[in-house]
Amino acid sequence: EIVMTQSPATLSVSPGERATLSCWASQSVSSNLAWYQQKPGQAPRLLIYEASTRVTGIPARFSGSGSGTGFTLTISSLQSEDFAVYYCQQYNHWPTFGRGTKVEIK
Amino acid sequence: EVQLVESGGDLVQPGRSLRLSCAGSGFTFKDYVFHWVRQAPGKGLEWVSAISGNSGSIDYADSVRGRFTISRDNAKNSLYLHMNSLRPDDTALYYCVKGTTRHWSLLENWGQGTLVTVSS
Repeated sequence: EIVMTQSPATLSVSPGERATLSCWASQSVSSNLAWYQQKPGQAPRLLIYEASTRVTGIPARFSGSGSGTGFTLTISSLQSEDFAVYYCQQYNHWPTFGRGTKVEIK
Repeated sequence: EVQLVESGGDLVQPGRSLRLSCAGSGFTFKDYVFHWVRQAPGKGLEWVSAISGNSGSIDYADSVRGRFTISRDNAKNSLYLHMNSLRPDDTALYYCVKGTTRHWSLLENWGQGTLVTVSS
């Protein structure tokens, strides 16, 4: 099983600031890496796939990078609606998820 | 519009069984892999099981293997999860999730979930 590790567990950011979330895989997943956003009481929503491709309708302030075992999700200027939990997930084989990063208001 | 609607969640005693269902609409159901993903209260996401479009490929997480069975009925646009020998640590919100045609495990569309609580 491919183990996904995310850091930090919690990120405190002021609105308008930049947020950088990290994700590592225990073995290479190529670019088969997705990011999901989950708000309280809602199902997760796919934001980015293939490590850096935004889903249609996702704002350009969300960007992803990386390949192999190291990945980053950057939110360039946090808006109020971006405060949520973010999960990375590899889809090189059956899915495995990181434990999530909670982005909270500083 | 893609819609996935889960049902069947309930409060059950340890050791009992339960069947979850998921109805899909807005797409050609038989063309897609489906997954069950669960989320225990206040916890992260855990993949549970997956089934290919023709049911020829099926797999389970080690935590449920031998107790849960995934199935589908393409004529009814429906996905199922039969859960036996339920344990308290199976308590979670269970999501029905649709993969993509290119990448089976890219989880493109999610239902709203159905809550399973295992407690005496």
